[in-house]
Parts: sequence; C-alpha cells; structure tokens
Amino acid sequence: KAGVTQTPRYLIKTRGQQVTLSCSPISGHRSVSWYQQTPGQGLQFLFEYFSETQRNKGNFPGRFSGRQFSNSRSEMNVSTLELGDSALYLCASSLEGPGDTQYFGPGTRLTVL
Amino acid sequence: AQSVTQPDIHITVSEGASLELRCNYSYGATPYLFWYVQSPGQGLQLLLKYFSGDTLVQGIKGFEAEFKRSQSSFNLRKPSVHWSDAAEYFCAVGGRTNKLIFGTGTLLAVQP
Repeated sequence: KAGVTQTPRYLIKTRGQQVTLSCSPISGHRSVSWYQQTPGQGLQFLFEYFSETQRNKGNFPGRFSGRQFSNSRSEMNVSTLELGDSALYLCASSLEGPGDTQYFGPGTRLTVL
Repeated sequence: AQSVTQPDIHITVSEGASLELRCNYSYGATPYLFWYVQSPGQGLQLLLKYFSGDTLVQGIKGFEAEFKRSQSSFNLRKPSVHWSDAAEYFCAVGGRTNKLIFGTGTLLAVQP
C-alpha cells in the first residue's frame, strides 16, 4: 500500500502571498490531520478532516484553512503569509477514529521570505 | 491542561549500549500514547503505541515502552542501540479525538 503523499515537498513564498498544500492519504483512510512543525513551537495540531468535514481544530488563526474532497484527499491553505509561517507541514491519515494509528507523510517544507 | 514532557532534549549513547527515553504526560482521561521517530528531512514513523491492556508494549526496530499510570509515564527503551537509531524521538498523547499532543522531542546521537 502506498503511504501518505504530500505535494509539493518544498515551497518558497514571500510575505503576503498565499499557499496551498496537498495531502493524499493512504487508500481507505478517511481521516486526515495536519500539523505544523517549527523549531520554536514543536509539533502543533492544525485541524482534522473526516468525510469532507472539519472534525477538530487547533489554535491557529483563520488564515489557516483546509478542506477535504470526496476521495479523502485534503488541502490546506495559508493566506497572507507571515515569516513565522515558515515550517514543516505534516499530514497524517488514519482509518477513522482516535483508536486508529495515524500515519504521517514526509511533509512540505514552506519557507516564507 | 493536556501536555507531554520529554525532559531530555539531547542524549548521546554508545553503539551497543542500552537506551531509555523519558516521557511524562498530563491528560484528563485514559490516554492513548505513542512514540514516533523522525529522521532528518523526513516525516514521523510510528514506533509503538499503547491503547489499553498490557502495559509493556513492543514496537518496531527492537523498541519497547512501558505505561505506568501511577507515574504518568511512558518511557521508551531499547536494549542495544544501533548507529541507525540516531534520530529525533517524539512522545505523543491522544484521546477521544485524533488530535495528538506531542512532546518537544529528544535528539539521539549514537557514538561508534
């Protein structure tokens, strides 16, 4: 079975721009979660999507948004980029609920200049 | 508040020596506990998880962890470390949602 894939792997943007990151979960997985990883704040939960609906949300500003499609693929969008948004963005997929293991993708490295 | 503490930021061990990485958690309900490993430039790989039952959990690559409710701990152990184990290790806690709360990580260096 193919693992979680994320595209692109690397991105460079400038302040004020917006960016869209994509995540394809493991086949059959319906839950997709997003995490931000930075040296200062560590790994922080952004949000989770299940059956095209946001099921859980972390403490991030509204500039961070996401969606999920009927095939469970997910995208996250960051608008009006700030320097502090530079991070590794990780996507994780699982079958359904909290009892299921979350499998992580390789991440998208976003650099904001 | 829900939190995970990994008190050791950086650990160096000799190849072949035993390893123990510490993890303490604070969680209101019965926790689900995880250990993940991250190599440079990579995502997170699950080593092992505890949901219920036997408090000693076996994982991949020869790792094991023991859940101690009385100490709110979930320490990771390996009897003999290999050079390829050098990486960053993250302890995480979850519960009734898919939101995982991660510790700050422990960076493991292995000396030849």
